[in-house]
Amino acid sequence: DTAVSQTPKYLVTQMGNDKSIKCEQNLGHDTMYWYKQDSKKFLKIMFSYNNKELIINETVPNRFSPKSPDKAHLNLHINSLELGDSAVYFCASSQATGRSRSPLHFGNGTRLTVT
Amino acid sequence: DQQVKQNSPSLSVQEGRISILNCDYTNSMFDYFLWYKKYPAEGPTFLISISSIKDKNEDGRFTVFLNKSAKHLSLHIVPSQPGDSAVYFCAASVTSSNTGKLIFGQGTTLQVKP
Repeated sequence: DTAVSQTPKYLVTQMGNDKSIKCEQNLGHDTMYWYKQDSKKFLKIMFSYNNKELIINETVPNRFSPKSPDKAHLNLHINSLELGDSAVYFCASSQATGRSRSPLHFGNGTRLTVT
Repeated sequence: DQQVKQNSPSLSVQEGRISILNCDYTNSMFDYFLWYKKYPAEGPTFLISISSIKDKNEDGRFTVFLNKSAKHLSLHIVPSQPGDSAVYFCAASVTSSNTGKLIFGQGTTLQVKP
């Protein structure tokens, strides 16, 4: 069973379009994340939700909007796509354990290509 | 401003030998460090971690060493196997934030030759 699943795996779209990426985790974790891996291969955090509450909101254009309908789902909606949005987007989850937190579990990524 | 750096983009090692992957960080607030392994078309998977109260953590063939004064950590794989060929990411966090936010390095591609 896939622990963190993202759909779609590949997404090719034109500039100016609006698209969404979905993420679901079946680990029962309380926190979910979106990371972006750019062309230089850096993995950078974008957002994080804890029990449906936004707790991390990095410097990301307003065109990106996360939505968490429940603690098992965190979707990413992107408006007015630009060429520079082309990247691999990874969803992840983790669970607080006392004063610490479990390592992040990642999905397999969504490769977004904007043409 | 990259707070976690992996200065070697790639490393090639013969099967059976030791692989040493290095990572440097600049933020002295980091107190928890992790290594992730990534195969093509898959997400990163957790490998091993170390808290700043330790200087070494071992799990089977994998050992992570932490030198706080030098702000440097390394991952040793002994013996290296062809299945270890992957991209290895170093990551760091500030545990007191309790957000789980990780700052990643840019990765080192390890190739283990049979």
